[in-house]
Amino acid sequence: GAGVSQSPSNKVTEKGKDVELRCDPISGHTALYWYRQSLGQGLEFLIYFQGNSAPDKSGLPSDRFSAERTGGSVSTLTIQRTQQEDSAVYLCASSSNGVGGETQYFGPGTRLLVL
Amino acid sequence: AQSVTQLGSHVSVSEGALVLLRCNYSSSVPPYLFWYVQYPNQGLQLLLKYTSAATLVKGINGFEAEFKKSETSFHLTKPSAHMSDAAEYFCAVSENTSGTYKYIFGTGTRLKVLA
Repeated sequence: GAGVSQSPSNKVTEKGKDVELRCDPISGHTALYWYRQSLGQGLEFLIYFQGNSAPDKSGLPSDRFSAERTGGSVSTLTIQRTQQEDSAVYLCASSSNGVGGETQYFGPGTRLLVL
Repeated sequence: AQSVTQLGSHVSVSEGALVLLRCNYSSSVPPYLFWYVQYPNQGLQLLLKYTSAATLVKGINGFEAEFKKSETSFHLTKPSAHMSDAAEYFCAVSENTSGTYKYIFGTGTRLKVLA
């Protein structure tokens, strides 16, 4: 079956502009995660959605970052008033039920460059 | 709070030599532990995971890892390196935090295989 897909694959924007990054998880997966991967850094947790529960937003670095998940499927990560330090690869992952020990399936990422 | 430490951001081995990538974790409870591999311009792919069954875990592509509670370690090994093993490897830990299974990733180890 289809894996996790993300769009766009690359995004170049100017400082101060807003961007939207999209994630399509594996069909039927209730858990969805967003991570940020900066050069030389590990994966930084941003936000976690599980079913209809309130999302865990504890990893969002500032109020310029927000995410939503419509209909328990597709998710959009929005960065407002982008800054150069937002340049990174944004990875999305999904898993079946969000329980311990589950495998996360990752998308290929969106590479964001803020000029 | 859980954390993951990967010793050595870059490791070089000769083709056919032993691969050893180190991972230490801190967790207040028995954790779930993972190794993921990331090939250039791709998302992360699960190599193997420990979920409190056998302490020696075998994964794909000939990799294995051993959970050692006394050393809080989960080092990744492969007896004989292949050129195709060149990639970045991430160790991750997951535990239940207030009902959420959040994953914490290490900063990664880039493996280079020399001909």
